[in-house]
Amino acid sequence: AQKITQTQPGMFVQEKEAVTLDCTYDTSDQSYGLFWYKQPSSGEMIFLIYQGSYDEQNATEGRYSLNFQKARKSANLVISASQLGDSAMYFCAMREVGGFKTIFGAGTRLFVKA
Amino acid sequence: DGGITQSPKYLFRKEGQNVTLSCEQNLNHDAMYWYRQDPGQGLRLIYYSQIVNDFQKGDIAEGYSVSREKKESFPLTVTSAQKNPTAFYLCASKSWQTSYNEQFFGPGTRLTVL
Repeated sequence: AQKITQTQPGMFVQEKEAVTLDCTYDTSDQSYGLFWYKQPSSGEMIFLIYQGSYDEQNATEGRYSLNFQKARKSANLVISASQLGDSAMYFCAMREVGGFKTIFGAGTRLFVKA
Repeated sequence: DGGITQSPKYLFRKEGQNVTLSCEQNLNHDAMYWYRQDPGQGLRLIYYSQIVNDFQKGDIAEGYSVSREKKESFPLTVTSAQKNPTAFYLCASKSWQTSYNEQFFGPGTRLTVL
């Protein structure tokens, strides 16, 4: 069965510094996608970044990058130059390519300090 | 603007009552989803629908029902059989046409049982 593990319930980072949010996954599928979503206090889920299992390069989207280590089954999110507005819950998720069901981790709450 | 709307934002229910949560999308997406989120936890799948007039149970479907009579609409009914319905409910939709097949989420409905 597929599983997503986020071991950091909460993280603190100083404004303008970089932070890494951990995500490990377990799947027997060969072709899958990994997603990161941000959930501000308003509750809406915002898509941040995607990494395909066959992508050779790590995904990047602005200040977000994904440190993908396939052999270790990890897909850590790196946020560079943290901003106060980055304070939120962050969820790692996975779905088989072509599939309909997405599995979510328990999330990491990030606090950015001024 | 294209997006997903959920109503109401807050909903209060007495024990023993059925309530229906609305979800509408104008993104022309085929697939729609309902998730439940409890405090400090990730998202759990209640029901999903791949096309009109078809839907499948997710991981926690007991006590919930859905319909998909129109492509744009996917209402969720929380029945009196749901023993602990107080939670945050998120609706999402997905298209095969987007780059990453990511899910787009509505703003959520917070349900409280009195």
